[in-house]
This record gives sequence, structure tokens and C-alpha cells, in this order.
Amino acid sequence: DIQMTQSPSSLSASVGDRVTITCRASQNIKSYLNWYQQKPGRAPNLLIYTASSLQSGVPSRFSGNGSGTDYTFTISSLRPEDFATYYCQQSYFTPRTFGQGTKVEIK
Amino acid sequence: QVQLQQWGAGLLKPSETLSLTCVVYGGSLSGYYWTWIRQAPGKGLEWIGEINYGVSAFYNPSLKSRVTISLDTSKNQFSLNLSSLTAADTALYYCARRQWTSFAFDIWGHGTMVTVSS
Repeated sequence: DIQMTQSPSSLSASVGDRVTITCRASQNIKSYLNWYQQKPGRAPNLLIYTASSLQSGVPSRFSGNGSGTDYTFTISSLRPEDFATYYCQQSYFTPRTFGQGTKVEIK
Repeated sequence: QVQLQQWGAGLLKPSETLSLTCVVYGGSLSGYYWTWIRQAPGKGLEWIGEINYGVSAFYNPSLKSRVTISLDTSKNQFSLNLSSLTAADTALYYCARRQWTSFAFDIWGHGTMVTVSS
């Protein structure tokens, strides 16, 4: 299986901060890398697909970048509604695999 | 607006079989992969498997011997069966749609909590 390693596992930040999460795949996943936001008691919500494409309806403060094995996810200016857990996920290989998640908490 | 509505038994005993169904409202089964994903309490997300109209299903090797995903085109729904349950199968089970082109899970059901306990 492809291992997806996210870092950090958690972070504390303030409203207005720039936040960056990294995700490393154990093999080249050819930019088939997606990012999801999950709030407590809710299903995950797709934010970014194929590394850098913004899902329809998602605010532009969310962005993604990367290629090969290394990817980043950025929130340019954190808003109160962004406090949640974020997951990366690769779709190039089966089984599809997720990172362990990054919990973004209020400082 | 495509929506996924899922249901199934929430409390099962060890060795029993889990059966969940996900109905697709507002869209067709064709042209997408239909997926099951689970999340154990306080844990991350685990892909169970997926199926496409007209294509074989693909399963997580860790569950392959126990899992079956099927489509019912007449009812516009898909289902998950997971046999020989243990406490380790206790989780929130989600159905989801995977895009053919982006390969991302763009629409999710609300989740069904399944508890395996004697």
C-alpha cells in the first residue's frame, strides 16, 4: 500500500494566519492527490483535487501544490470556520489511501 | 444536486454480516465509481472498495476476503456487505462518489455508525 505521511499531525493557529500542511507519498502518485476537510460529526468535504485544482464552491483561500511524492496544502488566511481536520488522499494506486490527518485548532 | 442517502443496521454481533445501502438521488450511476470508506472512532479514513457500472469492483486487500460491493441499477443504488465481523470493524461507514477524471471523492453520504458488540 502507498503510505501517505502528513505533517504536522496537529497545529494551533490564529484567525488570519497562513497555514501549510505537507503530505508525502511513499511512491510517485503523479499528482493524483486530493485534500479534504472534516468537521466533527460530518463527512469529509473535498477541497482540492489532482494536487492543485480547487473544487467548485470552495473558497480561494485554500490552495494546493506539489508533484511526484511531495505535496502541500495552504490556507492563506485562516477563518473561524476553517478549524477542522484535514486529510490528504492518493488516488493513483489501489488501495486508495489517506494521510493520518492534521487537526487545525484555535490558538 | 446529487445526494447520497445511506442506511443499514447499526448494531451487529461478532461473526455477523454488515449490510449497508446507498441510494443516489439526482444523478446516474453511470460514469462514476461508487465507493465505501470507513472511519473507526477517533481514527483516520480507510478505503474499503469501489465499483463502476460495467466494471469489476476493487477492494482493499486488507478486507478483500470479507467484502462485496454491488450495484443495483434498477434502484439507482449500491451496497456493501462485510462478513465475519469483529470489534475492529466498529466504525462510521460512508458511501461516496469518485470522479472518473479527477479520481477524487466529491460527494459523500452522511455516514452510518456500525457497532460490533456481543
